[in-house]
Amino acid sequence: GEDVEQSLFLSVREGDSSVINCTYTDSSSTYLYWYKQEPGAGLQLLTYIFSNMDMKQDQRLTVLLNKKDKHLSLRIADTQTGDSAIYFCAESRGTALIFGKGTTLSVSS
Amino acid sequence: EAGVAQSPRYKIIEKRQSVAFWCNPISGHATLYWYQQILGQGPKLLIQFQNNGVVDDSQLPKDRFSAERLKGVDSTLKIQPAKLEDSAVYLCASSPGSGGYTFGSGTRLTVV
Repeated sequence: GEDVEQSLFLSVREGDSSVINCTYTDSSSTYLYWYKQEPGAGLQLLTYIFSNMDMKQDQRLTVLLNKKDKHLSLRIADTQTGDSAIYFCAESRGTALIFGKGTTLSVSS
Repeated sequence: EAGVAQSPRYKIIEKRQSVAFWCNPISGHATLYWYQQILGQGPKLLIQFQNNGVVDDSQLPKDRFSAERLKGVDSTLKIQPAKLEDSAVYLCASSPGSGGYTFGSGTRLTVV
């Protein structure tokens, strides 16, 4: 199937905002997700957004959805060194999750 | 609530050997998924079960991979014979059917 696309790397300084972008493929996706994976660890669900929403905010996380362009973004405010990880965008296709290749976020102090 | 259990946690085998992974989903979750995550890539769906029936196995290399979910609960994923390129983390996930995905910690397979 077609791929979910993400930029591979993002480097920010502690305290700055991070924005991770994703382009998905299935216009009928009901939900879109962001997962976090730390080295050697499993997948942690960060947040998700229903397809009829444009924005969702959850503490330091803001998700923006542009359905017309099939574009999803995750903004992390006041980024901390503990936010360093790989972030995966995922779309629901049918009842399965299809993932992007992940964006490695590096936070320097 | 108990999470998705997977075993073993790690496995090292030689190429051409066989290996099996086990997954116990969250109680009551009808849908079970197996994903393969190769180092540096996102998880790739291998197979999806709804109860004990296969919904999607289009990405499963059926010449060497097989999976079953007897009685619609636990599942096993087998590779026979293994190749070097099968080295990956194998993730099991379950869901009640509409979202609510829960992932296990995965089995890290190294084929040497």
